[in-house]
Amino acid sequence: QQQVKQSPQSLIVQKGGIPIINCAYENTAFDYFPWYQQFPGKGPALLIAIRPDVSEKKEGRFTISFNKSAKQFSLHIMDSQPGDSATYFCAAAAYSGAGSYQLTFGKGTKLSVIP
Amino acid sequence: NAGVTQTPKFQVLKTGQSMTLQCAQDMNHNSMYWYRQDPGMGLRLIYYSASEGTTDKGEVPNGYNVSRLNKREFSLRLESAAPSQTSVYFCASVRGDQPQHFGDGTRLSIL
Repeated sequence: QQQVKQSPQSLIVQKGGIPIINCAYENTAFDYFPWYQQFPGKGPALLIAIRPDVSEKKEGRFTISFNKSAKQFSLHIMDSQPGDSATYFCAAAAYSGAGSYQLTFGKGTKLSVIP
Repeated sequence: NAGVTQTPKFQVLKTGQSMTLQCAQDMNHNSMYWYRQDPGMGLRLIYYSASEGTTDKGEVPNGYNVSRLNKREFSLRLESAAPSQTSVYFCASVRGDQPQHFGDGTRLSIL
């Protein structure tokens, strides 16, 4: 069974802090690694994604760092705001045939940003 | 542009009842997916459809059936609901190797 291990399970930071969420995977056949943000009562929404040939990607205040040799990747949120309080999921995508990709998700990190 | 639309948003069933969860996307995506989300478990794939006319099992298919009615619609059916199927169900769609787009879920309780 393919796995993606995510930590921590929950995280509390002060406004302006830099929360870091870590993920590790086992299968080397993954093609890309997306992060999703989920607010209560809503579906997961794509935040940022990275391919394994890139070591870092930034979009606004969100940065993914990727270490291919260690099979690890992480999400950093710069200058965190109370509005960033949500559950964050890392995932890994593997080709499953017929032009389709399957996502394997981590178990999620609940982030709370305190004003 | 509604994206991925799921109906109903909430449902309460009794053990043994059947029901169908509906999903429709208007983004002309080829692939569609059904997940369940349980506390502390992340999202687990139930079934997926790589293209119209094809369906395949995911990680947790037992107790479920699916139908890819056309390119837009992908339904999930519970033939005989069990309390263990109490969960939030999400549908997603995608084209090729792009990240998946999710609906807002169906919250299902089985008593």
